[in-house]
Amino acid sequence: DTEVTQTPKHLVMGMTNKKSLKCEQHMGHRAMYWYKQKAKKPPELMFVYSYEKLSINESVPSRFSPECPNSSLLNLHLHALQPEDSALYLCASSQDRADGANTEAFFGQGTRLTVV
Amino acid sequence: AQSVTQLGSHVSVSEGALVLLRCNYSSSVPPYLFWYVQYPNQGLQLLLKYTSAATLVKGINGFEAEFKKSETSFHLTKPSAHMSDAAEYFCAVIPSGAGSYQLTFGKGTKLSVIP
Repeated sequence: DTEVTQTPKHLVMGMTNKKSLKCEQHMGHRAMYWYKQKAKKPPELMFVYSYEKLSINESVPSRFSPECPNSSLLNLHLHALQPEDSALYLCASSQDRADGANTEAFFGQGTRLTVV
Repeated sequence: AQSVTQLGSHVSVSEGALVLLRCNYSSSVPPYLFWYVQYPNQGLQLLLKYTSAATLVKGINGFEAEFKKSETSFHLTKPSAHMSDAAEYFCAVIPSGAGSYQLTFGKGTKLSVIP
């Protein structure tokens, strides 16, 4: 199983709503990531979890709150978002080995988020 | 910081023609290099990777890439384009010895295939 599964695929939310994006992988990877991708741009790293601990936060606004309940799950809690936060949100995972082998990240299909 | 440059934000080829997507990296030490493909409204799929083994790397869907240290390049090729190859292609790099969180993407090249 080399899949990273994200739900939901599409989400429309108002600026006062609270919603969550979910990500799951069963590859035994110990590093999981959230990326944000705007149209016609490459993905931008938001958060990195390594062994279920937040290791990197790329200066993301606090209206985005990540959570890693266990080694297979990653959530992104959303609250009071702005229209400019509309984007494709991608989850990824990797073995996070810095030895050349298995350094690639596997990506989910993404959640297309629209903030109205 | 390590980076990659993709020459050409948009490449058009005829069906059956050679596909060549260019990627150059900036490093004196060979990094780990990747090509990802993204179809409309989907996530990224790994096409192939270079991790200092063979310089000619074969990937999925008939794609391959050749690592050329002298040219600091990792261009992606496919001998014969198919309509289903139309997508966005990203070259990406991780500095040698670094963790996967340091994955850095190029700006992407949109490939169009003309019937």
